[in-house]
Formats: sequence, structure tokens, C-alpha cells
Amino acid sequence: AQSVTQPDIHITVSEGASLELRCNYSYGATPYLFWYVQSPGQGLQLLLKYFSGDTLVQGIKGFEAEFKRSQSSFNLRKPSVHWSDAAEYFCAVGDRGSTLGRLYFGRGTQLTVWP
Amino acid sequence: NAGVTQTPKFRILKIGQSMTLQCAQDMNHNYMYWYRQDPGMGLKLIYYSVGAGITDKGEVPNGYNVSRSTTEDFPLRLELAAPSQTSVYFCAARRGESIAGHYGYTFGSGTRLTVV
Repeated sequence: AQSVTQPDIHITVSEGASLELRCNYSYGATPYLFWYVQSPGQGLQLLLKYFSGDTLVQGIKGFEAEFKRSQSSFNLRKPSVHWSDAAEYFCAVGDRGSTLGRLYFGRGTQLTVWP
Repeated sequence: NAGVTQTPKFRILKIGQSMTLQCAQDMNHNYMYWYRQDPGMGLKLIYYSVGAGITDKGEVPNGYNVSRSTTEDFPLRLELAAPSQTSVYFCAARRGESIAGHYGYTFGSGTRLTVV
């Protein structure tokens, strides 16, 4: 069965520092992979996605993520964090074999940014 | 340009009461979903619909019911509310039938429900 693990529940970084949020997945084949961001009181917004091809994908707000098949990982990175990046981040796996479009979410990582 | 609209934003229910969480989308998307979000647990799929008149259960359907009489609306019904249903509920809509439809996965802003 598909599953997503985000090992860090809460991360704190200083503004301007680099950021890496970890995501590992369990899936029988190459999955569709997503990162979503949720600001307080808001719904989820898509940051970036991986379907196939180049394993380094660029997203909105200066984020990028790298798909590593050998490690079953899809870590999210940003070279310089801004205070407005404070939010909760969710990694998700999409079921490649189905048109249902169901997503399996990790439990989320809460990001705090110190000024 | 509303996208997915959920009402109400907040609600407190007493144990045993019932209510309907409303979800409406104006994007003419066929696929709609209800997720619940519990702290530290990510999002779990409650019910989904692939078009008007067609619904099916997700991971955690117990205690809930849905209907889809139109493309636009996908209400979630709670009967006999229980404290375990305290959660944040998100409705989402997705265009198309192909996997590429993942591009169009749009979430509402959520309904925060407390059952006391």
C-alpha cells in the first residue's frame, strides 16, 4: 500500500537560512509526487510536482524538490527562507495506476521561521 | 474566480447532533473529494465522487454520508456527531480523467468542526 513518511514534525530555521524538508514514500512503482503548503486558516496550495523526466523539479515561491528513486525520497529545498514561508508542508503520493486521482498524504512538517 | 467554497468555516456541535458541511465548486470539475485533517496525521480521504450521481468511500467513511446531485455541489453529512469527528474538513476538486488532471487539484479553505 502507498504511504508517505515525513520524519520531521516541526522545523525551525532563521530567515535567510537554507531549508530541506524530508519526504520518503512507499509505492510499488514510480509514483506521482507532490508538495503542498498550507498557511494558517487556508487550504492546501500546490508547490510542485513530479511525474517523470528530470528528477529535479522547480516549483513556486523558489522551492525545488529532487526525486531519488534509490532512496524513495522526494525532499523539498529552498536556498534562502523568507518569513512568509512559515507554514505547514505536506508531501503526497498520487496513485499512478488510477484515474481516480487520489492522494496519500504525509502527516506534515510545521515550519517556523525566526527573524 | 471562487474555485472551491466551503461553508461554514467553523462549527461547534454537541454529541449526537447532525450537520451538513457544504462544498461548492465553479470550475465544472467532475472529480471531488472530502478529506479530514487531524493534527500530526496528514489528510485522510473520507469520500469521493467522479461525477454527478456517483460517489464512493475512501479510507475513513464511517459516520459520514455524501451525495452528488449536481456537478457543482458535494455536501458531507455527519449523523450522530461524535468527539472523534472533531477535525478540519477539506473539500477538493480536480479536473479531467487523466493523471495529468493532478495539475488541477484545488482545495477549499476548510471547515473546522468541534464536537463536544
